Amino acid sequence: GNSVTQMEGPVTLSEEAFLTINCTYTATGYPSLFWYVQYPGEGLQLLLKATKADDKGSNKGFEATYRKETTSFHLEKGSVQVSDSAVYFCALDRGSTLGRLYFGRGTQLTVWP
Amino acid sequence: SQTIHQWPATLVQPVGSPLSLECTVEGTSNPNLYWYRQAAGRGLQLLFYSVGIGQISSEVPQNLSASRPQDRQFILSSKKLLLSDSGFYLCAFMIQGAGELFFGEGSRLTVL
Repeated sequence: GNSVTQMEGPVTLSEEAFLTINCTYTATGYPSLFWYVQYPGEGLQLLLKATKADDKGSNKGFEATYRKETTSFHLEKGSVQVSDSAVYFCALDRGSTLGRLYFGRGTQLTVWP
Repeated sequence: SQTIHQWPATLVQPVGSPLSLECTVEGTSNPNLYWYRQAAGRGLQLLFYSVGIGQISSEVPQNLSASRPQDRQFILSSKKLLLSDSGFYLCAFMIQGAGELFFGEGSRLTVL
């Protein structure tokens, strides 16, 4: 089946620390992979995406590389800020016209000044 | 550009009362529409999705229902709320074939 597993939080970091949030997936076919971010009290918004193997998605200093050999899409940022505090969701779309996204459970990130 | 709005933003309801959450999309036609629930510590659960007017698919059995009376309107309902229905409800749309979900602001439901 299709599923996404991401590291459990919460993750607590000091400002300017390096961030990694692990995400692995199980899917049939060739899925697209996404990271969504949810700031406190808001809905989710797309952070970055990658549609094929070895693609790197990037946005706002965050990066993730689609690794088919390890079925992973880890989220990284070299220097986090307090404003990055949010819940991060990894997701996959197996490419059907239905547009069915499978989400991980989410990882809470808190950045302290 | 496309926008999505859902309301109400916050709702406190007694057990056994009815529920209606509404979601509308602007700026696109024939989108796929979705209702998700986010319960504390449990991630996102897809409740319903719709690929067209009057076409509703349910992902999990429950006492909730959904309807799509117009192309860009999606409604989540219940006749009698349970305590377990408490959570953060998110409406979303996808332009067919685009692969990206756009979420509404969310509706926080507390059932007492």
